[in-house]
Amino acid sequence: DTAVSQTPKYLVTQMGNDKSIKCEQNLGHDTMYWYKQDSKKFLKIMFSYNNKELIINETVPNRFSPKSPDKAHLNLHINSLELGDSAVYFCASSQRGTGNHGYTFGSGTRLTVV
Amino acid sequence: AQSVSQHNHHVILSEAASLELGCNYSYGGTVNLFWYVQYPGQHLQLLLKYFSGDPLVKGIKGFEAEFIKSKFSFNLRKPSVQWSDTAEYFCAVGSGAGSYQLTFGKGTKLSVIP
Repeated sequence: DTAVSQTPKYLVTQMGNDKSIKCEQNLGHDTMYWYKQDSKKFLKIMFSYNNKELIINETVPNRFSPKSPDKAHLNLHINSLELGDSAVYFCASSQRGTGNHGYTFGSGTRLTVV
Repeated sequence: AQSVSQHNHHVILSEAASLELGCNYSYGGTVNLFWYVQYPGQHLQLLLKYFSGDPLVKGIKGFEAEFIKSKFSFNLRKPSVQWSDTAEYFCAVGSGAGSYQLTFGKGTKLSVIP
């Protein structure tokens, strides 16, 4: 069973479109994250949810909107896509508990905006 | 705020050579430290982690790392690399109990030549 699964794996779309990426984890973790990895492999956190509550909201354009219907799901919706949004987006989850025990990552969604 | 520095952008080694990748962090409090590996086209996987206790941590695939508190360092080592170790390696720091967020370094690309 895949622990953290993202769909789709690849997404090619035109500028100006709206798209969503879905993420689900079956680990029972209480915290989920979205990271963006650019062409230079730099990982930057975008959002984090703990038990459906937004706890980290880094400086990203408000065209990006996360939604967490329950603690096992964290989706990312992007409006009015731009060329600069092209990147690999990773979902991750962790159990906060008494310490940060590290993340389990999804396999990534490679978004290409043309 | 915490930050992570990985000194080497790209390391090229021959098979059987020894590896040491540098990682320094800046944060004054208790930290949890991690090394992740990203094989080409794949997601990040946890190699090893340090929370407390023995500063020499052993991970998967023969990797180990040493936490030196006085130097704010957590260098990754492997005595003899293989071609299959070719990947991107990321150091990350979480700021202790209750922390949600991991801060990642910019990564070091390791190329192992057969």
